[in-house]
Amino acid sequence: GENVGLHLPTLSVQEGDNSIINCAYSNSASDYFIWYKQESGKGPQFIIDIRSNMDKRQGQRVTVLLNKTVKHLSLQIAATQPGDSAVYFCADFETPDSSYKLIFGSGTRLLVRP
Amino acid sequence: DTEVTQTPKHLVMGMTNKKSLKCEQHMGHRAMYWYKQKAKKPPELMFVYSYEKLSINESVPSRFSPECPNSSLLNLHLHALQPEDSALYLCASSQEFPSNGHETQYFGPGTRLLVL
Repeated sequence: GENVGLHLPTLSVQEGDNSIINCAYSNSASDYFIWYKQESGKGPQFIIDIRSNMDKRQGQRVTVLLNKTVKHLSLQIAATQPGDSAVYFCADFETPDSSYKLIFGSGTRLLVRP
Repeated sequence: DTEVTQTPKHLVMGMTNKKSLKCEQHMGHRAMYWYKQKAKKPPELMFVYSYEKLSINESVPSRFSPECPNSSLLNLHLHALQPEDSALYLCASSQEFPSNGHETQYFGPGTRLLVL
């Protein structure tokens, strides 16, 4: 999407290490963000979301951090496993024509080395 | 049941064929979506249905014709497609139409379409 972008197209990590995937957005009015995981040959799978009234939200092995000051969010995966290998998209809702539409960033491919 | 299902998984069609993609959800969601995803790209919105009525058409060519027969089903009818229409077609659903931008969308596995 135009306003949601990612810093790195590919991230390679050692199995067991922590992974950090970054995402920048430009619309200061964005107030809800979603991280999706897409494995090869599958549809995007919801991982975790965060609203703008929070700066951190934790799930199982995943944490999303939101920094509204610099319009940046990140997805942290603890103890990365081979099954975490996938493309990760951040997404937010934007209103280019007054309708709320889910806009995806360009995606980061996470490769987990054994 | 938190699943969105799509059939077929794969489809190969010629430029003169007519085919349909099907999507089904039983989560009681009232908004359903079609997205198109090209290789190595993020999904792009095509259509949105809310309460079985077409709410958004992202200027999609008329060779793609969506249909929402009931609140659980969403079809995408294909006719006279071009090779550049080859892509992964994803269906998604959410509880309601995102009138406030806070509706999580759940995606199906997609139909991988190849147009020859």
